[in-house]
Amino acid sequence: AQTVTQSQPEMSVQEAETVTLSCTYDTSESNYYLFWYKQPPSRQMILVIRQEAYKQQNATENRFSVNFQKAAKSFSLKISDSQLGDTAMYFCAFIPAGGTSYGKLTFGQGTILTVHP
Amino acid sequence: DAGITQSPRYKITETGRQVTLMCHQTWSHSYMFWYRQDLGHGLRLIYYSAAADITDKGEVPDGYVVSRSKTENFPLTLESATRSQTSVYFCASRGQGAGEQYFGPGTRLTVT
Repeated sequence: AQTVTQSQPEMSVQEAETVTLSCTYDTSESNYYLFWYKQPPSRQMILVIRQEAYKQQNATENRFSVNFQKAAKSFSLKISDSQLGDTAMYFCAFIPAGGTSYGKLTFGQGTILTVHP
Repeated sequence: DAGITQSPRYKITETGRQVTLMCHQTWSHSYMFWYRQDLGHGLRLIYYSAAADITDKGEVPDGYVVSRSKTENFPLTLESATRSQTSVYFCASRGQGAGEQYFGPGTRLTVT
């Protein structure tokens, strides 16, 4: 079974500054995908970024980037130039690429990020 | 409009009543999922389906029933609602291959 842990229940950052959200996971799978989802007050789940475990290069999407450390089973999200619209709950999620758990996302508990003006 | 929809968006029901939450997707995705979201637990998988007429239990299936007679629909039924089933329920879908799931807008269910 997979587990995903987000150790920061809440974070805050000033507008235009940089913040990093932490995520660790535990798995015996060798191939998998990792995701960060954003959930604003509207409750809609929005995909922010994805990372394939077999790729060593860290994924980047505009102001969002990840630091993927496969050996340490760590997958942190960095948000640069934070904007007020980044205020949301952020979830780290894991999905194995094969096997009997194929297709089933496992989520962390979430981190509430507040961006202050 | 294309996408994934859920109905109702809000529901209040009484303990012991049967409730069905609907989920509909227009992408013809093979996989569909039901999650519940509770404070301190993130999202937990209730049931999932790999195709029409193929369903399987997730992490927290007790008290729930699903069916999938058509690819585009995946209803979730609470046969006898309990207060512990008060939660926000999300439906999601995904195509072939291990990729991101697309989520519906959620249903807030309150059991009194």
